[in-house]
Amino acid sequence: NAGVTQTPKFQVLKTGQSMTLQCAQDMNHNSMYWYRQDPGMGLRLIYYSASEGTTDKGEVPNGYNVSRLNKREFSLRLESAAPSQTSVYFCASRTSGGDEQFFGPGTRLTVL
Amino acid sequence: GENVEQHPSTLSVQEGDSAVIKCTYSDSASNYFPWYKQELGKRPQLIIDIRSNVGEKKDQRIAVTLNKTAKHFSLHITETQPEDSAVYFCAAFGGSYIPTFGRGTSLIVHP
Repeated sequence: NAGVTQTPKFQVLKTGQSMTLQCAQDMNHNSMYWYRQDPGMGLRLIYYSASEGTTDKGEVPNGYNVSRLNKREFSLRLESAAPSQTSVYFCASRTSGGDEQFFGPGTRLTVL
Repeated sequence: GENVEQHPSTLSVQEGDSAVIKCTYSDSASNYFPWYKQELGKRPQLIIDIRSNVGEKKDQRIAVTLNKTAKHFSLHITETQPEDSAVYFCAAFGGSYIPTFGRGTSLIVHP
């Protein structure tokens, strides 16, 4: 039981490049989330998926797209990376109506 | 949308003292309030949580209190130890299960 996994752990991009951050969970959770964490800003919700087949915008969705590929996987795509997207990205999952939200180990992204 | 304010941003205490971190929220429909501890370079980990139908919850040295009328909840850590040093985040989950996090409190426990 791996919980929530994320790949890659670290990534450096140049401005304008694209990439996809991968997230998977093996806890049969319905809800999945993508956050970014910047110093002094806490965790800000980018997108979430309440259940397989649905996605919704969070607080800071601009510049990102998501895909809920199946119940296990929720990916985050940066189509044209910008330096403002330099951050640590966390994926999380939770049962619908449940309590604890489980976080992945994070992806540290630097955009030059 | 929901707005969560967390204070203080930094808290410095001596080992053995108590620490209190406070959060306020704006959405009266919020019904689940977790607290997370995050050590440097690690993922946030749940340390205690409370639902809106409960006023207080305790787990050893850690307790959370909730005042629904005033829309605030607090984390209390007693007998602090150096290993309690970390960043602590509060969060509020609204009626649609969308979470909003506070900006975090850096707790420093001096030996």
